[in-house]
Amino acid sequence: KAGVTQTPRYLIKTRGQQVTLSCSPISGHRSVSWYQQTPGQGLQFLFEYFSETQRNKGNFPGRFSGRQFSNSRSEMNVSTLELGDSALYLCASTPHSQSSYEQYFGPGTRLTVT
Amino acid sequence: AQTVTQSQPEMSVQEAETVTLSCTYDTSESDYYLFWYKQPPSRQMILVIRQEAYKQQNATENRFSVNFQKAAKSFSLKISDSQLGDAAMYFCAYWAGGTSYGKLTFGQGTILTVHP
Repeated sequence: KAGVTQTPRYLIKTRGQQVTLSCSPISGHRSVSWYQQTPGQGLQFLFEYFSETQRNKGNFPGRFSGRQFSNSRSEMNVSTLELGDSALYLCASTPHSQSSYEQYFGPGTRLTVT
Repeated sequence: AQTVTQSQPEMSVQEAETVTLSCTYDTSESDYYLFWYKQPPSRQMILVIRQEAYKQQNATENRFSVNFQKAAKSFSLKISDSQLGDAAMYFCAYWAGGTSYGKLTFGQGTILTVHP
């Protein structure tokens, strides 16, 4: 099976712009979680989707949003980018409805905001 | 709120030797799950080992084993016969289970260097 894929792998945006990141889970996996990784804050949970429904959300401002499609692919959107949004964004998928039991991570999207 | 603490920002080990990475956590839950993830320079997070809190027996996966002390809220990772490929950032992670869907709480990580 192909692993979790994330596109694009690298992205450079300007402050104030918006960005959409994509995550394709492993075939058959229905849960997708998103994390932000920065040197200062470490790994922080953004949100989780299962069967097109957001079931859990971390402590991030409303500028961060996501969605999941019927094929389980997920996107996250960040509007009005700030310099502090520069980070590695990781998504993870799991075959279980208990979506943290065994998370398979993608390679990440490195977002740089200038 | 649950927190995970890794007190060793960096560790090093000689190839073929054994190293132990420390992790402590804080929770009021009685059932939960603990994980060690490895993140090599390629940035791909890889699950190393998993421990269910209700299991008293320590988990083992080949050269990797844990020392789970529930009362002390301690969860250390032992890597035996270290290999150059073990060099990576290691993260301890906690999952509360139940309705805490998708949310892993990670420690700050420990950079492991393996010397030939």
